[in-house]
Amino acid sequence: KAGVTQTPRYLIKTRGQQVTLSCSPISGHRSVSWYQQTPGQGLQFLFEYFSETQRNKGNFPGRFSGRQFSNSRSEMNVSTLELGDSALYLCASRIPGGGTEAFFGQGTRLTVV
Amino acid sequence: AQSVSQHNHHVILSEAASLELGCNYSYGGTVNLFWYVQYPGQHLQLLLKYFSGDPLVKGIKGFEAEFIKSKFSFNLRKPSVQWSDTAEYFCAVNAGNAGNMLTFGGGTRLMVKP
Repeated sequence: KAGVTQTPRYLIKTRGQQVTLSCSPISGHRSVSWYQQTPGQGLQFLFEYFSETQRNKGNFPGRFSGRQFSNSRSEMNVSTLELGDSALYLCASRIPGGGTEAFFGQGTRLTVV
Repeated sequence: AQSVSQHNHHVILSEAASLELGCNYSYGGTVNLFWYVQYPGQHLQLLLKYFSGDPLVKGIKGFEAEFIKSKFSFNLRKPSVQWSDTAEYFCAVNAGNAGNMLTFGGGTRLMVKP
């Protein structure tokens, strides 16, 4: 069974640009969450999607957005990139409902220069 | 908002030593608790989880954790570490009122010397 797949693995962007990251969840997992991992702030929750609807949102500016498609695949977008957006972005999928754990992908390493 | 504290940022042990990593959280309601491990260059993997029932949970690779509700703690233990346990360990909490959001501790880097 394939795990959570995130593309691309590495990305270098310039300040002011925008970026789109992609996540394909484990087959049958309809809930997808995104996290940002940085050395200074650790792992922080960005948002969660289920049935193409955002269910929960972390404390990030509106430049961070996401969406989910009917096949449960998800994308997150960051507009007007800042140097501080450099981070590892992790996607996690799960079977919706209580009593289930999140399975994480390898992440996309974004560097903003 | 809930928070999670891991008191040990870096731990260095020799092989066969016992391990205990502390984790405390700040939410007073129902919680689901997790320990994840991140080996160098790899993705986060679940070590163990607590949802309900026996507060002593056993996970993979000989790890276990004990949920002590009165202390808001979920400490990770292993009686005898191996060099291959070198990794970063994260405690995470899902509070009952937060959907599926996980709040992570800052992580503990464990180095096991052969």
